[in-house]
Amino acid sequence: AQKVTQAQTEISVVEKEDVTLDCVYETRDTTYYLFWYKQPPSGELVFLIRRNSFDEQNEISGRYSWNFQKSTSSFNFTITASQVVDSAVYFCALSEGRNNAGNMLTFGGGTRLMVKP
Amino acid sequence: ETGVTQTPRHLVMGMTNKKSLKCEQHLGHNAMYWYKQSAKKPLELMFVYNFKEQTENNSVPSRFSPECPNSSHLFLHLHTLQPEDSALYLCASSPKFAGINEKLFFGSGTQLSVL
Repeated sequence: AQKVTQAQTEISVVEKEDVTLDCVYETRDTTYYLFWYKQPPSGELVFLIRRNSFDEQNEISGRYSWNFQKSTSSFNFTITASQVVDSAVYFCALSEGRNNAGNMLTFGGGTRLMVKP
Repeated sequence: ETGVTQTPRHLVMGMTNKKSLKCEQHLGHNAMYWYKQSAKKPLELMFVYNFKEQTENNSVPSRFSPECPNSSHLFLHLHTLQPEDSALYLCASSPKFAGINEKLFFGSGTQLSVL
């Protein structure tokens, strides 16, 4: 069975600080996909990144970066120079790579990030 | 209007009421999903429709009844709910269900309170 753990339920930082959100996953599949979604106060989840299990290259997109390490089953998300607009709940998610699994995402419990001015 | 739209945004209902949640997507997608987000559990997938056909029912109680009349509209009919059903119900869509694990596009949800 798949499982995603986000041990940090809530993080509070001051603007311009760097912050890392942890994500640890469990799966028996060799092919799988990892995702991060952001849920701002308006409610809708917004896709941030998708990474497949064969691509361990770290990725950077502006102030966002992701560190995927299969050896530790982790897919951590770092925000550099955080801003108040980054305040949201962030979800890590996992799906199997089999075609018939489709978009069956298993979500972690989410990490609420509060960035104070 | 673009994206995924859910109505109503907020709903309060008694345990004997019957109500419906509506979701509409303007993205031309063929797969639609209902998720439940409660305070005590991670986001849970409830139902999946692919090309109007239900492909997944994640052991959801029969008091929740989905309906997908076409690829753009998805309903969740509610009857005789329990207080523990109070949650944020999120609708999502994707170009298709199976294949390359595409990203989901979410609506803003309906915050449901069952009294």
